[in-house]
Amino acid sequence: NAGVTQTPKFRVLKTGQSMTLLCAQDMNHEYMYWYRQDPGMGLRLIHYSVGEGTTAKGEVPDGYNVSRLKKQNFLLGLESAAPSQTSVYFCASSPPGYEQYFGPGTRLTVT
Amino acid sequence: AQSVTQPDIHITVSEGASLELRCNYSYGATPYLFWYVQSPGQGLQLLLKYFSGDTLVQGIKGFEAEFKRSQSSFNLRKPSVHWSDAAEYFCAGAYNNNDMRFGAGTRLTVKP
Repeated sequence: NAGVTQTPKFRVLKTGQSMTLLCAQDMNHEYMYWYRQDPGMGLRLIHYSVGEGTTAKGEVPDGYNVSRLKKQNFLLGLESAAPSQTSVYFCASSPPGYEQYFGPGTRLTVT
Repeated sequence: AQSVTQPDIHITVSEGASLELRCNYSYGATPYLFWYVQSPGQGLQLLLKYFSGDTLVQGIKGFEAEFKRSQSSFNLRKPSVHWSDAAEYFCAGAYNNNDMRFGAGTRLTVKP
């Protein structure tokens, strides 16, 4: 039981490049989330999904897209990376009881 | 607007001393409240949660938190800190699964 895993762990992009972050969970959770963590700001919700095939915007969705084609996977895409998207990205999943389980994070630098 | 505030950015305590980390929430009604811990380079781990009922909540690793409605607070405590408790601690509140708001975090340093 691996819990929540994220791929890759680190990535450096140039401005304007695109990339996809992959999140996978093996706990059969319905809900999945993408957060970004910036110094002094805690975690902020980017997008979330309440089930396979559904996604919704969170607090800071601009510049990101997501897809949930399979229940166990939640992908976060950056179509045209900007330096303001330099951050640590966390994926989480939960059953409908609010306790969220977090992955180890992806550190992204955009130059 | 719904928010969670952690007034202390950084706290240093000596090993064996007691610890209290502050958390205040601003919500229309009492949200569900959580404390998470993040070790360097790791994801967040849930320490404890408050949904309703007993206002003193016990968690893992010897932590507890007390919910005080009159003060809109949910402070985290530990009677005796260990060096391994050095980490960043986040308070969070939510009305539902899709709107969890995190505080900015409190970094704990433990002196030998």
